[in-house]
Amino acid sequence: EIVMTQSPASLSVSPGEGATLSCWASQRISSNLAWYQQKRGQAPRLLIYGASTRATGTPARFSGSGSGTEFTLTISSLQSEDFAVYYCQQYNNWPPSITFGQGTRLEIK
Amino acid sequence: EVQLVQSGAEVKKPGESLKISCTASGYIFTTYWIGWVRQMPGKGLEWMGLIYPGDSDTRYNPSFKGQVTISADKSISTMYLQWSSLKASDTAMYYCARRGVCGGRDRCEWFDPWGQGTLVTVSS
Repeated sequence: EIVMTQSPASLSVSPGEGATLSCWASQRISSNLAWYQQKRGQAPRLLIYGASTRATGTPARFSGSGSGTEFTLTISSLQSEDFAVYYCQQYNNWPPSITFGQGTRLEIK
Repeated sequence: EVQLVQSGAEVKKPGESLKISCTASGYIFTTYWIGWVRQMPGKGLEWMGLIYPGDSDTRYNPSFKGQVTISADKSISTMYLQWSSLKASDTAMYYCARRGVCGGRDRCEWFDPWGQGTLVTVSS
């Protein structure tokens, strides 16, 4: 099983500032990585797939990068609606062996 | 618009059976893999399995194989998640989600969109 590790577990940032969230895979996964945002009481929402492609409706302030084992989600100029939990997910193999990171909670400072 | 609508919250006792549903609209149900994701209280996301409604090919996370059954009824564009004997540890929010649009990519097992979730509570 590919283990996904996210860092930090939580992050306090002031509105208007930027944030960088990291995700590591225990094996190389090419660019087969997605990022999701989950607000309290809501279902997760896809932000990024293919490590760097924004999903429909994802604001341009969200950007994803990385390949292989190290990945980053960068949010520039945080808005109030961005404070949420963010998960990475790998989907490198078929038959599927899909795994998620444990999440990073982004909080208002 | 692609939409996934899940059945309502359930409260069950240990040992009881349960089947929850996810009804799809806005796309051809038989041509996309669709699956279930578990979220235990206060915890992260766990992939449970995927089904291809076109031929009912089903793939499970080994951690869930034998514990649940995923099925689909293509005549009503609905996927199901079923337990034969619930345990307290099955208490969780369960989300259905459709696999992404591949568009020429080798792998596209990201999830978009997601259903609203079905809360299952198992308590004596």
